[in-house]
Amino acid sequence: GAGVSQTPSNKVTEKGKYVELRCDPISGHTALYWYRQSLGQGPEFLIYFQGTGAADDSGLPNDRFFAVRPEGSVSTLKIQRTERGDSAVYLCASSLSGGMGDRANVLTFGAGSRLTVL
Amino acid sequence: SQQGEEDPQALSIQEGENATMNCSYKTSINNLQWYRQNSGRGLVHLILIRSNEREKHSGRLRVTLDTSKKSSSLLITASRAADTASYFCATFLGKLTFGQGTILTVHP
Repeated sequence: GAGVSQTPSNKVTEKGKYVELRCDPISGHTALYWYRQSLGQGPEFLIYFQGTGAADDSGLPNDRFFAVRPEGSVSTLKIQRTERGDSAVYLCASSLSGGMGDRANVLTFGAGSRLTVL
Repeated sequence: SQQGEEDPQALSIQEGENATMNCSYKTSINNLQWYRQNSGRGLVHLILIRSNEREKHSGRLRVTLDTSKKSSSLLITASRAADTASYFCATFLGKLTFGQGTILTVHP
């Protein structure tokens, strides 16, 4: 697609429920990133995919968070047993590659999915 | 975790004035980038400076990088009301790590 698409744009759920957030990156971008942003804060790194594999998942806060990218394009961020502290905007971004080269390192972001856990 | 700190946290200026934002970071980098964010949703890339560069220009933007001090600055010249946004620096070393950002308000 022309840009990075994230769905849903808004999600309200109850504490303890399971949530899936979807990201459709720019066609041909091999690297895909997930970030979480709380109000007044900078984006916090969660996980980064190079193709189908998670190249760096060091930012996932705990084992309730999991992300997949089975075919190397669309990615889903899954959150189990949601807690109120999970409320944030979840941002997805993609880039040509996670490797060398200036353009390869420039990220194109989606508009984000705002998650509210009641 | 966040990479570093940005200074100031908030900046308020009049149209036509210059705006300078500073960023400090903690680790080695391949490059440093600046992004802009409106309305708390989605970030837009502004400019990238490599670790072996000291200064770079793009339109009304000027970025400097001092790797010995682990710091960078973003200068926006002749600011406009439309420049009102949050600005983030981000360092790249395998992955992109963001700072806390500077909220810039430009008054008409």
